[in-house]
Amino acid sequence: GESVGLHLPTLSVQEGDNSIINCAYSNSASDYFIWYKQESGKGPQFIIDIRSNMDKRQGQRVTVLLNKTVKHLSLQIAATQPGDSAVYFCAENIGRDDKIIFGKGTRLHILP
Amino acid sequence: DVKVTQSSRYLVKRTGEKVFLECVQDMDHENMFWYRQDPGLGLRLIYFSYDVKMKEKGDIPEGYSVSREKKERFSLILESASTNQTSMYLCATGQRNQPQHFGDGTRLSIL
Repeated sequence: GESVGLHLPTLSVQEGDNSIINCAYSNSASDYFIWYKQESGKGPQFIIDIRSNMDKRQGQRVTVLLNKTVKHLSLQIAATQPGDSAVYFCAENIGRDDKIIFGKGTRLHILP
Repeated sequence: DVKVTQSSRYLVKRTGEKVFLECVQDMDHENMFWYRQDPGLGLRLIYFSYDVKMKEKGDIPEGYSVSREKKERFSLILESASTNQTSMYLCATGQRNQPQHFGDGTRLSIL
């Protein structure tokens, strides 16, 4: 069925290293993908998005990669900082309406 | 920046009460959404609205209703609160093919 999932529920990364958070999606009709960051006590915050006609998009310290062949999405965070500690969600939209399907989330833990 | 304001951060109600959760956005977005977030289950869509007076059921509408009398305001109503509706409730707003923007949530406890 339609689902968005994550390979790892928790990821621990040394401060200063790069983080890679992965996401698998199952609906090949999905044409828009979004990454959100949720800090404790707050709502999800938009980080970066990518449309299906692209395979890479860069923001400030973040890069999203989309591999439509294997239906895989990843978020790369460069030089991870303590403030990056949060739960990260991927989400997909299949274009029929504006509903978004969210993955379960990956908790990113920064080691000092 | 888009601002999505949820009326309460924390709310405690009793079983059987009628509960209103309010959400206001300041960006003139057509679309508004209500989710609940539970550990291990992620975000689940309860109801959404594409325009004033319009509403659509999401994935888990049972026990809930909504109201959208004005474009900027979207209310979630628990008709008769039950303990299994204890959860974090998140409101979001957005435009077509754009990311949704979320409020900071209402943590609702039903005793």
